[in-house]
Amino acid sequence: DAGVTQSPTHLIKTRGQQVTLRCSPKSGHDTVSWYQQALGQGPQFIFQYYEEEERQRGNFPDRFSGHQFPNYSSELNVNALLLGDSALYLCASSLSTGIGVQHFGDGTRLSIL
Amino acid sequence: DQQVKQNSPSLSVQEGRISILNCDYTNSMFDYFLWYKKYPAEGPTFLISISSIKDKNEDGRFTVFLNKSAKHLSLHIVPSQPGDSAVYFCAASASAGNNRKLIWGLGTSLAVNP
Repeated sequence: DAGVTQSPTHLIKTRGQQVTLRCSPKSGHDTVSWYQQALGQGPQFIFQYYEEEERQRGNFPDRFSGHQFPNYSSELNVNALLLGDSALYLCASSLSTGIGVQHFGDGTRLSIL
Repeated sequence: DQQVKQNSPSLSVQEGRISILNCDYTNSMFDYFLWYKKYPAEGPTFLISISSIKDKNEDGRFTVFLNKSAKHLSLHIVPSQPGDSAVYFCAASASAGNNRKLIWGLGTSLAVNP
């Protein structure tokens, strides 16, 4: 039973570029959430996707956008990258019914030069 | 505005003793609380959770206690093992239909010494 998988593992970009991160949820899960974790901080909620729609959003600018596909996988896109976007980006999947404990992938480490 | 607070950045415990990790929250709308463990270079791993209608939940060596009046929860690990050394995050959520986002503390780094 595959857990949550994220790609790529590491990524280096320069300011102003655009990046796409990918996530495949745990088998049977239909909801995907994205978090940003800066060094020494707890994860910060970016947004959540269910039924291919963004249904909740945290306090992140419109440069951060996402998508969910019919197979429940998801992408996180960040445009016009800033140095401050350097962080670990975590994807979590859950089941929409019940409490929906979130299960996490190992993250994508994004470094902006 | 940190709605979930873990005021101890680090904790060191001897193997076999009890580890107690604390978490405070400010939002009275939170109705579900979770503890996650995180090793370096890995994503957080779910440990144990508790609903606001309970005051205790136990799973093997891990027990979570919730004091709603004090807006405080704690995770007890007994006995502590070296493999428990990791960063522990407290997270909370409030139901909005089926939409739940997790609000996280800053984490407590636990070191269990042999």
